[in-house]
Amino acid sequence: KNEVEQSPQNLTAQEGEFITINCSYSVGISALHWLQQHPGGGIVSLFMLSSGKKKHGRLIATINIQEKHSSLHITASHPRDSAVYICAVEETSGSRLTFGEGTQLTVNP
Amino acid sequence: NAGVTQTPKFQVLKTGQSMTLQCAQDMNHEYMSWYRQDPGMGLRLIHYSVGAGITDQGEVPNGYNVSRSTTEDFPLRLLSAAPSQTSVYFCASSRPNLLGVTYNEQFFGPGTRLTVL
Repeated sequence: KNEVEQSPQNLTAQEGEFITINCSYSVGISALHWLQQHPGGGIVSLFMLSSGKKKHGRLIATINIQEKHSSLHITASHPRDSAVYICAVEETSGSRLTFGEGTQLTVNP
Repeated sequence: NAGVTQTPKFQVLKTGQSMTLQCAQDMNHEYMSWYRQDPGMGLRLIHYSVGAGITDQGEVPNGYNVSRSTTEDFPLRLLSAAPSQTSVYFCASSRPNLLGVTYNEQFFGPGTRLTVL
C-alpha cells in the first residue's frame, strides 16, 4: 500500500463544475503539498499546508491531520485547469517528499 | 531569478553510456533533490542534498551518483545507462528548516526526458 493515495486517478468534468480531488496518507507529516503538472510537463507548487485551509483564487486546499486526509477543490472549473494534480507529504523525519500517483483532470468546454 | 534550470531537456543514450544531468538554482536554497517520474507511479526520490558537501540516498539511488560542491549546482550522474533508467527526471529545490519552519515551497526544474536504448 502506498504511503500517499490519491483519488480519483482520472476525472473528467464539464466547464463550471465544482471539482474535488482527495489525498490520504499513512505517515506522520510536517506538511502536505499540492502540485500541478501541466501537459507540457512542468510542475508548480499550488499549496503547502500543515493545518486548516488555504485558498488561492478558485483553488481551495484543506487538511485534516487527525484523519490524515487532504482535499483540493476547484470552483468554477475551466479547461485551462486540465492538468495532473499531485499530492505530496513531507514526513516529520525530514524534508523529503513522498508523492501520490497524481490525478489526471480534464475539463471539457 | 531563473529559478531551477535543468539541462539537457531531451537525451537519448545507448546502454552502457554515462552522462550527467545538470541542475542549477539561483535562489540560494540549501535543499536540492532529484526525482524520476515513470508512468503509473508517483515521483520517486533518487538522491538529495541538504547543503553543499552533503548528499544522501533517496528511494531509488542505484545506478546514480550525485555531488554538491556548491549551493547552486546539483548534478546527477548516470554511471552506466540501462533501459530501466528511461524516465523523466526532475530536479527540485527548497529552503528547509528556516527559522524553525520545517517545510517550504518546492521549486521544480522543467525536467529532462531520458531514453536509454
